[in-house]
Amino acid sequence: DQQVKQNSPSLSVQEGRISILNCDYTNSMFDYFLWYKKYPAEGPTFLISISSIKDKNEDGRFTVFLNKSAKHLSLHIVPSQPGDSAVYFCAANQAGTALIFGKGTTLSVSS
Amino acid sequence: GAVVSQHPSRVICKSGTSVKIECRSLDFQATTMFWYRQFPKQSLMLMATSNEGSKATYEQGVEKDKFLINHASLTLSTLTVTSAHPEDSSFYICSARAFGADTQYFGPGTRLTVL
Repeated sequence: DQQVKQNSPSLSVQEGRISILNCDYTNSMFDYFLWYKKYPAEGPTFLISISSIKDKNEDGRFTVFLNKSAKHLSLHIVPSQPGDSAVYFCAANQAGTALIFGKGTTLSVSS
Repeated sequence: GAVVSQHPSRVICKSGTSVKIECRSLDFQATTMFWYRQFPKQSLMLMATSNEGSKATYEQGVEKDKFLINHASLTLSTLTVTSAHPEDSSFYICSARAFGADTQYFGPGTRLTVL
């Protein structure tokens, strides 16, 4: 049973527009959520995180929103740039435990 | 900060041999390290969790005698794939987490090819 789900395998966006990547989870015990960016044949790079006591966290062009009642989080990238093209993984965990990853969404930003 | 390295980045070996992969946290002390495996176009699958100085905890379905994990210091964990077979060919990634922290930082990964 997948505890972290990224239902969109791919997303295409034009440069300068907003990219919205979505993630759903089933485990209500999760209290920490992260987004990672990954290029082929490289390890994931940490982007941004949010704890369950917040509903929004912003860092530059990246904003993560958390809706605990819907068990849903999203990553907004504004404005999108061609260099943002990569696979984005949503991850979650309960304090002290290993991260559980979604299957990833491939973002393609065209210029 | 929060840099994790892996060595080697790529290894090709013959079936039946053993391969050791090193994971190092370069600028922080990693009380916990994790080993993941990723198949093409798939998510990261957690193989095991290791805490410094204690035995690793393996996920269901991962053979602990085949994938030996050692976390002898706060900056180094090793994964040894013993008696490697072609089906062990994969991309292995480690991550590290400091004591009391939530964020894991990942190494660049190791591409293992078993002939």
